[in-house]
Amino acid sequence: KQEVTQIPAALSVPEGENLVLNCSFTDSAIYNLQWFRQDPGKGLTSLLLIQSSQREQTSGRLNASLDKSSGRSTLYIAASQPGDSATYLCAPDSGGGADGLTFGKGTHLIIQP
Amino acid sequence: DAGVIQSPRHEVTEMGQEVTLRCKPISGHNSLFWYRQTMMRGLELLIYFNNNVPIDDSGMPEDRFSAKMPNASFSTLKIQPSEPRDSAVYFCASSFRSGLGEQYFGPGTRLTVT
Repeated sequence: KQEVTQIPAALSVPEGENLVLNCSFTDSAIYNLQWFRQDPGKGLTSLLLIQSSQREQTSGRLNASLDKSSGRSTLYIAASQPGDSATYLCAPDSGGGADGLTFGKGTHLIIQP
Repeated sequence: DAGVIQSPRHEVTEMGQEVTLRCKPISGHNSLFWYRQTMMRGLELLIYFNNNVPIDDSGMPEDRFSAKMPNASFSTLKIQPSEPRDSAVYFCASSFRSGLGEQYFGPGTRLTVT
């Protein structure tokens, strides 16, 4: 059974800093990995999807990397802004979109103005 | 596309009542998922469908929970009878199985059982 751990559980940094969120998973037989953002009281917004054959994926100030063999992924946020404040969730996909995702507990991020 | 649509957005009911949550997936997607989110347990998969067929319902907590997908554009999650411990946010998500498999989530239904 896939287990996902996200470190740190919470992070508070001043605006402008670059930061790294970590995700580890126990079963490396994955098709892809998704990073989501969840704002308080809202649904999940997909940020990035990394296919198992890729090493990284970029979208704007976000860069996600994947080391499938070691069961690790990181989400790098450059030049953080107060609007980045949210909970970030990592979810490896073992079924290629046909099975459900297993989620970590998330990293609660606060960017101080 | 309007994205995944869920209704109602909020539901408050008394213990013992039947609750029905509804979901309309993104047009063209052939996989649909129901998740539940609580503070204690985080996001958990309840059940998922491929091509309208239930594939794995091992995440459904009890027989009080049931889900159906009568066609490609509609699914329901029913709780009967409801209990206070069912209070949570219930999310529906959909994906296109033969593509990247990226899952798109609806806004969720916040259920409160008193």
